[in-house]
Amino acid sequence: QSALTQPPSASGSPGQSITISCTGTSSDIGNYNYVSWYQQHPGKAPKLMIYEVNKRPSGVPDRFSASKSGNTASLTVSGLQAEDEADYYCSSYRGSDKYIFGGGTKLTVL
Amino acid sequence: EVQLVESGGGLVQPGRSLRLSCAASGFTFDNYAMQWVRQVPGKGLEWVSGMSWSTNWNGGSIGYADSVKGRFTISRDNAKNSLYLQMNSLRPEDTAIYYCARRGLGLANDYWGQGSLVTVSS
Repeated sequence: QSALTQPPSASGSPGQSITISCTGTSSDIGNYNYVSWYQQHPGKAPKLMIYEVNKRPSGVPDRFSASKSGNTASLTVSGLQAEDEADYYCSSYRGSDKYIFGGGTKLTVL
Repeated sequence: EVQLVESGGGLVQPGRSLRLSCAASGFTFDNYAMQWVRQVPGKGLEWVSGMSWSTNWNGGSIGYADSVKGRFTISRDNAKNSLYLQMNSLRPEDTAIYYCARRGLGLANDYWGQGSLVTVSS
């Protein structure tokens, strides 16, 4: 398994909500509650948005929420704003001190 | 303020070696595990390697992605607040921006450096 599976793109209008899925296996997402989500704007370093499946670091708006069911994690962005346009990556611990990222989803705010 | 600053990137020929450094400040370095993550420009993130706060017998653990295992070596010098990545037998497919990251909240990377570009080409 080279990467968790994410849709390559997602889009929504300002004010709408969108959900990005992240599918793994029983060896990663399905077995650990160490799923995180990152936001990356062009030319910038990634920024942590969600950790431990559904927890937000200080400073991340509560418009960002996340969950997990079985081998699939999901990130929901509510009340879309122009500044939410970015690439989003999921990540999971997979045991034995190893981690895996998703392929990334480009979110477009129409 | 937490800061992570990578250095050591550049152009290198296939088969040669390069050592990346990451200088950390603004937090107690030896309390945190650290990671390297890379990104081919325009592509996705790939976890490369990570290590816990210490390499001592009572606290050390290191992991590598299969794509770099046996070629890359992660290390740290807690006295110098620095993380390193020794990259040997470099291949063109190792060309990427290499990010240093702190493994903090819930095993997530809560702080990232600005990245260091490594280009492997003849």
